[in-house]
Amino acid sequence: GGIITQTPKFLIGQEGQKLTLKCQQNFNHDTMYWYRQDSGKGLRLIYYSITENDLQKGDLSEGYDASREKKSSFSLTVTSAQKNEMAVFLCASSIDRGNSGNTLYFGEGSRLIVV
Amino acid sequence: GEQVEQLPSILRVQEGSSASINCTYENSASNYFPWYKQEPGENPKLIIDIRSNMERKQTQGLIVLLDKKAKRFSLHITDTQPGDSAMYFCAASRNYQLIWGSGTKLIIKP
Repeated sequence: GGIITQTPKFLIGQEGQKLTLKCQQNFNHDTMYWYRQDSGKGLRLIYYSITENDLQKGDLSEGYDASREKKSSFSLTVTSAQKNEMAVFLCASSIDRGNSGNTLYFGEGSRLIVV
Repeated sequence: GEQVEQLPSILRVQEGSSASINCTYENSASNYFPWYKQEPGENPKLIIDIRSNMERKQTQGLIVLLDKKAKRFSLHITDTQPGDSAMYFCAASRNYQLIWGSGTKLIIKP
């Protein structure tokens, strides 16, 4: 089996600060995702990537940048942290390139705290 | 934008009884419908899924039904146990993405 590792588990930053979350997977999956989950709510897609160096915007991409430098890693940057975006950010991966019919495997999540 | 509506948002059922969660979707081209369970403090995990070439699927106390005409799919948990208490999310495929429901908090009463 494989694993998805998100770092850091907690990210504390100041309002207006640029903050980066990292995600690594060793499944050798093609597609990786970044979701935002607000407390007690569903998942909203920020960015996804179907292969190395590919980047696709989700419904919530404004205010975020992402980077897929290697097949195994996908990072997400909050360009200017705001207090209303304190949430859990979930990274996920799936096996096939751009095929939404495959299982998503999620990381443990990174909680963003803006002070 | 396109949505998946999931109801109810909170569901309380007696231990041993069954629980049902319903989702509706908008895109008739959606062909994959997974259900994920998220326990407190944990990440979501796939519990069952159904593709558009099926109307019913069952595994280990879980049943999913798909009505393509009505664009509706549902999860039924039979003989609920305390370990079934969690958030449940439905999703429907859209191109290369999944559109997620807003979640149902299932509470099993002893």
